[in-house]
Amino acid sequence: DAKTTQPTSMDCAEGRAANLPCNHSTISGNEYVYWYRQIHSQGPQYIIHGLKNNETNEMASLIITEDRKSSTLILPHATLRDTAVYYCIGDNAGGTSYGKLTFGQGTILTVHP
Amino acid sequence: EAQVTQNPRYLITVTGKKLTVTCSQNMNHEYMSWYRQDPGLGLRQIYYSMNVEVTDKGDVPEGYKVSRKEKRNFPLILESPSPNQTSLYFCASTSRIQANYGYTFGSGTRLTVV
Repeated sequence: DAKTTQPTSMDCAEGRAANLPCNHSTISGNEYVYWYRQIHSQGPQYIIHGLKNNETNEMASLIITEDRKSSTLILPHATLRDTAVYYCIGDNAGGTSYGKLTFGQGTILTVHP
Repeated sequence: EAQVTQNPRYLITVTGKKLTVTCSQNMNHEYMSWYRQDPGLGLRQIYYSMNVEVTDKGDVPEGYKVSRKEKRNFPLILESPSPNQTSLYFCASTSRIQANYGYTFGSGTRLTVV
């Protein structure tokens, strides 16, 4: 699985967009980029994933650069409940195989009023 | 509601006393896995199961056992717990057959071994 690099922490004002970057320069061609978040000590929560196209769901948008070496998770209107640790993960489990999720240290996002 | 249920949420036990942490999912997922989370070490995989009666070791299997007799259940067994197994444990499941690429995690079990 690709090694990912994320900033240790970020702040965001409530109601503003939160843009969380992730570098994954060693990602291989069949590896998807996954984002999870963990609120306090709860179980990690799946947010979104993508291979090379930008993706959007009800929670967030994912922008992947054309060379696939980096991506940005966008929370369009951050709320206080979005305060969490956000993990960017490379996972080759896009087909019928299962990847082992390897969580790094992630980015601590703090949303303030 | 689709979910992964772990029990108990909190457990304090003594060294050497066998314990089982249960994990059950109601989504008919074929893949299940156990992780432990420790400060500074992130989440590390203990064991995983690709389907019923198919289990394999993850990165940190020492001191743990698992079984997968039914598709929905994947218990984690500590035959002789030791203080270094004090940790936060998570069970997770997913299904490639259902094209459900995201893993669903349980709420966690905080285990303290004294």
